[in-house]
Amino acid sequence: SAVISQKPSRDICQRGTSLTIQCQVDSQVTMMFWYRQQPGQSLTLIATANQGSEATYESGFVIDKFPISRPNLTFSTLTVSNMSPEDSSIYLCSVEGAEAFFGQGTRLTVV
Amino acid sequence: GENVEQHPSTLSVQEGDSAVIKCTYSDSASNYFPWYKQELGKGPQLIIDIRSNVGEKKDQRIAVTLNKTAKHFSLHITETQPEDSAVYFCAASKGKKLTGGGNKLTFGTGTQLKVEL
Repeated sequence: SAVISQKPSRDICQRGTSLTIQCQVDSQVTMMFWYRQQPGQSLTLIATANQGSEATYESGFVIDKFPISRPNLTFSTLTVSNMSPEDSSIYLCSVEGAEAFFGQGTRLTVV
Repeated sequence: GENVEQHPSTLSVQEGDSAVIKCTYSDSASNYFPWYKQELGKGPQLIIDIRSNVGEKKDQRIAVTLNKTAKHFSLHITETQPEDSAVYFCAASKGKKLTGGGNKLTFGTGTQLKVEL
């Protein structure tokens, strides 16, 4: 099973600023996924990150707001840009594999 | 796209009783169905999964059943314990092959399970 590490685990940010979340996997994976979980809600896919190509965004999510990098097969970053209180959520990365595993998530609070 | 419905939204059982959570999906091409347990302040933890080439899978006190014809799958927890209290999510995806998760997950809305002493 894949081991996924996310940083930071939590942060409190001022509105208008940006936060970059890192996701490190202990094995090479083709596809990595970024999800958002708003308070008390289910998980919603933000985008799929493939190494060597642009990320694919789901409806309602745009690259300018959530730029993603995927420099190699074990690492990805998600940036939450120009934050507002509505961006307060848990952000989770996940990887493709025989099973679908998640990191512990980044709990973001925007004040 | 895929749509996953999950019921009930909350479930309260007495310790030692069984708990059943049900999900339905809309896309007949979905072939991978994981279940996650999420405790407060933590990320979702995969507890069991099933692929469309089997109808049932069991792991100790946890079992999952799949009815492809009806497009529904269920999580069964027997002999519940207080530590089973958490939010449970079902999900569905269209893996590239039966042996892979392989694709984005569509989640159900979650079930808050409370096991009372």
